[in-house]
Amino acid sequence: AQTVTQSQPEMSVQEAETVTLSCTYDTSESDYYLFWYKQPPSRQMILVIRQEAYKQQNATENRFSVNFQKAAKSFSLKISDSQLGDAAMYFCAYRSGANAGGTSYGKLTFGQGTILTVHP
Amino acid sequence: ETGVTQTPRHLVMGMTNKKSLKCEQHLGHNAMYWYKQSAKKPLELMFVYNFKEQTENNSVPSRFSPECPNSSHLFLHLHTLQPEDSALYLCASSQRTGNTIYFGEGSWLTVV
Repeated sequence: AQTVTQSQPEMSVQEAETVTLSCTYDTSESDYYLFWYKQPPSRQMILVIRQEAYKQQNATENRFSVNFQKAAKSFSLKISDSQLGDAAMYFCAYRSGANAGGTSYGKLTFGQGTILTVHP
Repeated sequence: ETGVTQTPRHLVMGMTNKKSLKCEQHLGHNAMYWYKQSAKKPLELMFVYNFKEQTENNSVPSRFSPECPNSSHLFLHLHTLQPEDSALYLCASSQRTGNTIYFGEGSWLTVV
């Protein structure tokens, strides 16, 4: 079974600064996807960024980028120019790819989450 | 506006009540999911439906009964729940072969 670990229960950053959230995972699969979701106080899970395991290039979405280290099974999220609206719980998640087969495909396995506080 | 809507947003029920949570997705997806989010625990997958067929039951107690009448709607029927079942219940959807799962805003359930 896959596991996802977020070792930072809480992080804080000053507005306009950069912060990095850590995530490690364990899997024996070669085809998978990794995600960062944001959960603001409204509690809706909002997709921040997605990384396909077969892609060597790190994904980027505006101020959000990842550092995907496949061999180390590490998937960190960097938030640049932090804004007050970035304050939320951030979850790292793993999903098996279509080639994983069986019923494992489609399931998201989440880490414990990191609470990010942004100070003005 | 989210493509996955859940009702009700908040529900308080007694342990002997029967209630239902409803989820509707407007994204044309063919897979739907129920997740449970309890305090201080990672999100837990409860059920997966692909093309209206249940493909995953993650050892969920029978007091939770899902129903998927079509690819756009998913229900979670609740009966004789326990206080420890109080949690945020999140519905989600995706394409069966897609790689991104989209979530609703959740239904807060309190069992008294």
